[in-house]
Amino acid sequence: GENVEQHPSTLSVQEGDSAVIKCTYSDSASNYFPWYKQELGKRPQLIIDIRSNVGEKKDQRIAVTLNKTAKHFSLHITETQPEDSAVYFCAASRIGSSNYKLTFGKGTLLTVNP
Amino acid sequence: DADVTQTPRNRITKTGKRIMLECSQTKGHDRMYWYRQDPGLGLQLIYYSFDVKDINKGEISDGYSVSRQAQAKFSLSLESAIPNQTALYFCATSDSRAGAYGYTFGSGTRLTVV
Repeated sequence: GENVEQHPSTLSVQEGDSAVIKCTYSDSASNYFPWYKQELGKRPQLIIDIRSNVGEKKDQRIAVTLNKTAKHFSLHITETQPEDSAVYFCAASRIGSSNYKLTFGKGTLLTVNP
Repeated sequence: DADVTQTPRNRITKTGKRIMLECSQTKGHDRMYWYRQDPGLGLQLIYYSFDVKDINKGEISDGYSVSRQAQAKFSLSLESAIPNQTALYFCATSDSRAGAYGYTFGSGTRLTVV
């Protein structure tokens, strides 16, 4: 089955700096890669996703890049703000599979210091 | 977002007791999932269901059972609770028919087994 590794497990940045979280996946057939943000005491929420036919996707201050050859993808947050502090999860799956489900990384605790 | 509702929100139970966690959704999604979240371990899949007659084991199904009573309802049972089942449990949904592959999570059930 799919295995997703996520690094780092914790990340602390100063407000205004950029933050990068990286994930690798094992199944070369995976083609859908979402990112979730979980604020303290709340549910995970989808913030951005990318499919394997695209190398990069942006939404305001967040972007995701995908390298299919190396089987890794990354979340980039620019101009970080204290409200970006949360746990971020990456995930991978194969759209079109009869057994579709997301496999998650272990999460990254991002702290943005004012 | 009350589209995916989990009950109870918090529960303390004793070792050996049977307990049921319930999930209901108003999104009309066909697929439902149960995940368990432990600190540092991310989100681990317990069971998932693609329709009322379809139930599948996830990576950590031992000690758990599920019931898909209707398209909108998916319950998770611990037949004989043990302390290492203390965790935060999330229900999630997705809609294969609309191409919405990202999950919508419920607000979670925090379960403590003493």
